[in-house]
Amino acid sequence: GAVVSQHPSWVICKSGTSVKIECRSLDFQATTMFWYRQFPKQSLMLMATSNEGSKATYEQGVEKDKFLINHASLTLSTLTVTSAHPEDSSFYICSAGLETQYFGPGTRLLVL
Amino acid sequence: SQQGEEDPQALSIQEGENATMNCSYKTSINNLQWYRQNSGRGLVHLILIRSNEREKHSGRLRVTLDTSKKSSSLLITASRAADTASYFCATVRNSGNTPLVFGKGTRLSVIA
Repeated sequence: GAVVSQHPSWVICKSGTSVKIECRSLDFQATTMFWYRQFPKQSLMLMATSNEGSKATYEQGVEKDKFLINHASLTLSTLTVTSAHPEDSSFYICSAGLETQYFGPGTRLLVL
Repeated sequence: SQQGEEDPQALSIQEGENATMNCSYKTSINNLQWYRQNSGRGLVHLILIRSNEREKHSGRLRVTLDTSKKSSSLLITASRAADTASYFCATVRNSGNTPLVFGKGTRLSVIA
């Protein structure tokens, strides 16, 4: 199947700093990518839809100024967690595809 | 919000036994997909079943879909210890590039 990569796979940062997570489609072009968040032992919750060349669409309750999404090319979307706080600690995972969504390996964020 | 529920939430079986997981959803769908997630890792796509399909097979996997009951089941036959993982169903409401809505998942443990 198609390959989606994420970087970094894990990150530890101090409270108040910003963290950028990259999501790349390696062997196909993706005009749309999706960002999900997953807390321990819970399911995936959609955060936002990343659209190449236009603004992202955020789900209700997700702060767009805190979770900045940029989809500058057909193979790359970035999620920046700005001024991270401990409650932002989570597993962030992206997906891309058409009918079948292919997921990246995820990024585990720990904010101290 | 979550689309639906999986049941059971947790399932423990012996190697060689069959495992059945169920998923219910709330709205009309275009297709339903099953994914597997090993602890702390990304999601692996298992199978996609469209709303006009009733049953699909892939290796040791069998998926059924009953749109009148808004439910689906995933059967894993002759389970192996390597099948130990969380299994999620996810629905897609519309055709095209729309996000997945995940159920809460079933944690399967296969004991050797």
